[in-house]
Amino acid sequence: SQTIHQWPATLVQPVGSPLSLECTVEGTSNPNLYWYRQAAGRGLQLLFYSVGIGQISSEVPQNLSASRPQDRQFILSSKKLLLSDSGFYLCAWSAGWNQPQHFGDGTRLSIL
Amino acid sequence: SQQGEEDPQALSIQEGENATMNCSYKTSINNLQWYRQNSGRGLVHLILIRSNEREKHSGRLRVTLDTSKKSSSLLITASRAADTASYFCAKEGSNYKLTFGKGTLLTVNP
Repeated sequence: SQTIHQWPATLVQPVGSPLSLECTVEGTSNPNLYWYRQAAGRGLQLLFYSVGIGQISSEVPQNLSASRPQDRQFILSSKKLLLSDSGFYLCAWSAGWNQPQHFGDGTRLSIL
Repeated sequence: SQQGEEDPQALSIQEGENATMNCSYKTSINNLQWYRQNSGRGLVHLILIRSNEREKHSGRLRVTLDTSKKSSSLLITASRAADTASYFCAKEGSNYKLTFGKGTLLTVNP
């Protein structure tokens, strides 16, 4: 069966520090991969998605970037975090378009 | 504008009662999906209903889709305390990306 791993679960970082969140999927090949951010009490905002290795689409201009160095690995990064980057970050995968998405347990990021 | 808006924002019921949540959208869709999120956790997919479908069932869950009214509903029958969670509808539009609503917080009291 397919599984998705996302880490760390929580992270506290100072303003201006770098960020690297990692997500890996097991049990499937060539998945679509997604990074979302969820503000408190809100729905999810799509940040990035990828349909293949090295293929990244950005949905909103921001301080973050994403990379997909391997088929089942998706990384969310920042060179310098801002206070506004705080939030709950969720990684997800799907077998393609018009398919359900499957989410990791999320990373709660607090910027001090 | 954001699509996949849920109604009500919060719902509190007693165990054993049915819970109905509604979702409206504004433009055409490929499919509409419902997800559940327990506090502090990731989302769990519940049901995907395609634009040419009108109703789907999964256990105690029933989802309807009315494309003429651009609305969907999620019915949870015989609710349990473990059903307490936030429920989101998400619309996949012609661009194939999911747009989530703000969710309905369901509280089932024992």
